[in-house]
Amino acid sequence: GAGVSQTPSNKVTEKGKYVELRCDPISGHTALYWYRQSLGQGPEFLIYFQGTGAADDSGLPNDRFFAVRPEGSVSTLKIQRTERGDSAVYLCASSLTGNNSPLHFGNGTRLTVT
Amino acid sequence: DQQVKQNSPSLSVQEGRISILNCDYTNSMFDYFLWYKKYPAEGPTFLISISSIKDKNEDGRFTVFLNKSAKHLSLHIVPSQPGDSAVYFCAASATNNDMRFGAGTRLTVKP
Repeated sequence: GAGVSQTPSNKVTEKGKYVELRCDPISGHTALYWYRQSLGQGPEFLIYFQGTGAADDSGLPNDRFFAVRPEGSVSTLKIQRTERGDSAVYLCASSLTGNNSPLHFGNGTRLTVT
Repeated sequence: DQQVKQNSPSLSVQEGRISILNCDYTNSMFDYFLWYKKYPAEGPTFLISISSIKDKNEDGRFTVFLNKSAKHLSLHIVPSQPGDSAVYFCAASATNNDMRFGAGTRLTVKP
């Protein structure tokens, strides 16, 4: 498939643990985005990569959240010392240029912190 | 800060009628606007977009209207079909910046 792939699709973890969420964007897309969606709300922006660098990380809620994209393709969102409030669907999207081009979303990772 | 607002959480229309979904924004720097459709357990799917240099864009049954002075956009679906039932998100971005989303409107099209 040529779409955005996110793994795992579901992740259950205990409070205080560390988790990594992976995103494989569409090949050739330079821009990659992470969003978080809680029930009944729209996607909430977390971070945006242009190539390997984070062009805007202003949406990361605190320093427990970190994301990397070392080779300009796959990205990993890392959450340290998880809290119950981190439970949400984490969506990844990519776009061709990041400049007035549509975002193509993966199906998300549903994170549950118990 | 809620820069993109969808004030109607839900909308119900009869099959064959027009569905009108509304969206307001506050950031005057936004120059690109989109509508996404979302089914349960899937990511949002791009539907239609419009740049700020236009006031209307049409694609089949879907038309997006942009009123820059009112900072308002709308999505018209006509005729509405039961398969259109989904959550619709309005989104906006400024050049070289991230995209912001509204809270969504759940559309139900009744047969």
